[in-house]
Amino acid sequence: GAVVSQHPSRVICKSGTSVKIECRSLDFQATTMFWYRQFPKQSLMLMATSNEGSKATYEQGVEKDKFLINHASLTLSTLTVTSAHPEDSSFYICSARDVRTSVYNEQFFGPGTRLTVL
Amino acid sequence: RKEVEQDPGPFNVPEGATVAFNCTYSNSASQSFFWYRQDCRKEPKLLMSVYSSGNEDGRFTAQLNRASQYISLLIRDSKLSDSATYLCVATNDYKLSFGAGTTVTVRA
Repeated sequence: GAVVSQHPSRVICKSGTSVKIECRSLDFQATTMFWYRQFPKQSLMLMATSNEGSKATYEQGVEKDKFLINHASLTLSTLTVTSAHPEDSSFYICSARDVRTSVYNEQFFGPGTRLTVL
Repeated sequence: RKEVEQDPGPFNVPEGATVAFNCTYSNSASQSFFWYRQDCRKEPKLLMSVYSSGNEDGRFTAQLNRASQYISLLIRDSKLSDSATYLCVATNDYKLSFGAGTTVTVRA
């Protein structure tokens, strides 16, 4: 299957700092990338959907000014958690899809980034 | 109401046993369905798609019942390596809705 990478895999930061997470599709062009968040023992929750070259679409309850998403190229999307607080500590996972070739809505997931805000 | 609901388990079974569990989805417009596997602190990995006619992939069998809006997964001859959390996924257009997962632990 297609490969998606995320960086960093783990980050620990102080409250109030901003954290940027990168998501890259390594061997295909991702027309659409998705950002999820997963709290312990809970399901993955979609935060936002980004299409290359356009603004991200945020799910209800997700603050777009706090979670900045950029999808400037077909292989890279970034999520910036601005002024992170302890309640933002979570497992952030991106996924990617090439709408031109994917079947059955399949998405390919990155390995995730574990964010801990002290 | 959550879009996808699963029995969280855990299901503790001995090696070689058969284990089966379901999930239900609330959106009748859902188009595609998947089972993902998630190991502790890792990303989900696609286990198998679920087709209307039911499908097998080795020891794994998935069934879809659109009338009752549920999906099932059956694991035969379970291995220690099958221990994981299994996530049920329903899609509507491009959006994936995940269940919270069913935890399976296979013991020696």
